[in-house]
Amino acid sequence: AQKVTQAQTEISVVEKEDVTLDCVYETRDTTYYLFWYKQPPSGELVFLIRRNSFDEQNEISGRYSWNFQKSTSSFNFTITASQVVDSAVYFCALSEDSNSGYALNFGKGTSLLVTP
Amino acid sequence: GAVVSQHPSRVICKSGTSVKIECRSLDFQATTMFWYRQFPKQSLMLMATSNEGSKATYEQGVEKDKFLINHASLTLSTLTVTSAHPEDSSFYICSASGQPPGAQYFGPGTRLLVL
Repeated sequence: AQKVTQAQTEISVVEKEDVTLDCVYETRDTTYYLFWYKQPPSGELVFLIRRNSFDEQNEISGRYSWNFQKSTSSFNFTITASQVVDSAVYFCALSEDSNSGYALNFGKGTSLLVTP
Repeated sequence: GAVVSQHPSRVICKSGTSVKIECRSLDFQATTMFWYRQFPKQSLMLMATSNEGSKATYEQGVEKDKFLINHASLTLSTLTVTSAHPEDSSFYICSASGQPPGAQYFGPGTRLLVL
């Protein structure tokens, strides 16, 4: 069963628009971690954020913000005033305490295209 | 800190040959390392969990005799694709568990093309 669902396969926006990437996860663990990664065409994963299950405080980092809601099992990612350089595939991922070593379960990714 | 390297970054080989990919944690010790595979336009899928000094744990559907994993030290894990075939062409990425708990540090990946 898919533990991380990214329902949006592709999103296309015009530069300076705000865009939200959705992520819904499924777990029975009380201790777990959620991640967002950016993967540009080069392939290398760029770490964006890691959030543990006990910290529901939303976070903002520059133009990036994350909304973690345990009640809806969601961890959405918003880019404000998008730029062309934001074009990439974004992955949401989950690691669980019950999964030895905390291997990551990745969503299928959302491909974001920002056009000038 | 927490840097993971992979070597080679890109490899092209003939069908039937074996290819070894190295994953190193450069500035920390990693008891556990992971190997993921990513086919074009798909997500990353866990292949196996590599624990230092013990046998790797493979995910369902991954052939352990084909993808040999060795984790002989706390800073090095290797993945050997034996008798590679064109369908093994993929992007292979390793990661290492580190601090804080739950943190994962990814290598830059290795693109394998089997002709």
